[in-house]
Amino acid sequence: SQQGEEDPQALSIQEGENATMNCSYKTSINNLQWYRQNSGRGLVHLILIRSNEREKHSGRLRVTLDTSKKSSSLLITASRAADTASYFCATGLYNFNKFYFGSGTKLNVKP
Amino acid sequence: GAGVSQSPRYKVAKRGQDVALRCDPISGHVSLFWYQQALGQGPEFLTYFQNEAQLDKSGLPSDRFFAERPEGSVSTLKIQRTQQEDSAVYLCASSRPSYSTDTQYFGPGTRLTVL
Repeated sequence: SQQGEEDPQALSIQEGENATMNCSYKTSINNLQWYRQNSGRGLVHLILIRSNEREKHSGRLRVTLDTSKKSSSLLITASRAADTASYFCATGLYNFNKFYFGSGTKLNVKP
Repeated sequence: GAGVSQSPRYKVAKRGQDVALRCDPISGHVSLFWYQQALGQGPEFLTYFQNEAQLDKSGLPSDRFFAERPEGSVSTLKIQRTQQEDSAVYLCASSRPSYSTDTQYFGPGTRLTVL
């Protein structure tokens, strides 16, 4: 499978702590995106990082990409209860008109 | 502005019935995607349109699944003779550029339950 796979599958932390989740993939990518999905809702785009970038920030989010290790990480700093959701990475490949999603990390932030 | 909308939000069908799921993409978005999401899993690609042209339908699980976007805007995903394994959330996404591997904006999904 060319899917990204997230790790861990589930993560439970206290409000205010940082949350780190990882994504590994198998083939060369054009870009990698992170999405959030609240229970019963659609996916919300968080951040896109291209293959020639190593790090991007957006508010409390920090994404890194290591193409040599075929992995990415998403860091959420100073987590809030509202961050409770499932987080997915999606890999976009060259010359393919689709994204491959992993099975997600379920984050629970306890107030 | 308005995001991607899908209707109906929930659909219950008896096994063997045909269903039609609608997607209204963001105005002006060239690319449109359909995904299927099983419970507890990530979305799985079904098909991709660039304007009215269906450029990739490699993810459609069987010939019972059919998608169209006749005027390059609204899209319909049709499932004929539904089976229980078709129960899932069907997500639609749109993207502005003609190259498809860029930010996709998702609708809320249609939850299909086949009894």
